[in-house]
Amino acid sequence: AQSVSQHNHHVILSEAASLELGCNYSYGGTVNLFWYVQYPGQHLQLLLKYFSGDPLVKGIKGFEAEFIKSKFSFNLRKPSVQWSDTAEYFCAVNAAGGATNKLIFGTGTLLAVQP
Amino acid sequence: GAVVSQHPSRVICKSGTSVKIECRSLDFQATTMFWYRQFPKQSLMLMATSNEGSKATYEQGVEKDKFLINHASLTLSTLTVTSAHPEDSSFYICSALLKGNRGPNQPQHFGDGTRLSIL
Repeated sequence: AQSVSQHNHHVILSEAASLELGCNYSYGGTVNLFWYVQYPGQHLQLLLKYFSGDPLVKGIKGFEAEFIKSKFSFNLRKPSVQWSDTAEYFCAVNAAGGATNKLIFGTGTLLAVQP
Repeated sequence: GAVVSQHPSRVICKSGTSVKIECRSLDFQATTMFWYRQFPKQSLMLMATSNEGSKATYEQGVEKDKFLINHASLTLSTLTVTSAHPEDSSFYICSALLKGNRGPNQPQHFGDGTRLSIL
């Protein structure tokens, strides 16, 4: 069965610090990978996604993620965080080439950026 | 664009009552909607896939008689928690796919969620 692990449950950073949130998945086949963000009081929004091609994916608001197939990882990065990046971040995966859009989510990482 | 509205945002009710949660796509048509449940400090768990005009597909372990899903139009899906009990207290989130968007790489558009508390 597919599963997604986010090892950092709660991260606190100062503004301008660099960010890396870990995401590892378990699945035997080809996957599509997603990062969603949920700002306080708002709905989940797509931050970036990987389907194929360049394993380094750039998303909105300066975020990027790198797919490392050998490590089953899709870590999220940002070189310099801002206070407005305070949010909860979810990694998700589904089976590429399948007929379904079913997403398997990680438990989320709560990021607090201190001004 | 692609706004999904959930109503109510929060509901508190007594044990034994039934609660209906609505999920509407405001500016697009959605053939497929998804219902998730999230417990504190846990991930979103898919409960069921709702397809317009047909029966919902439930995930393993989800009681279809407990969680009734109706997707009667291209802009509305409802989740009814029947005879709710305290263990049903949770955060329920819906998402929607744009009509015509199929395949696993199509993004889901999420509602704000509904906080259900059963006393």
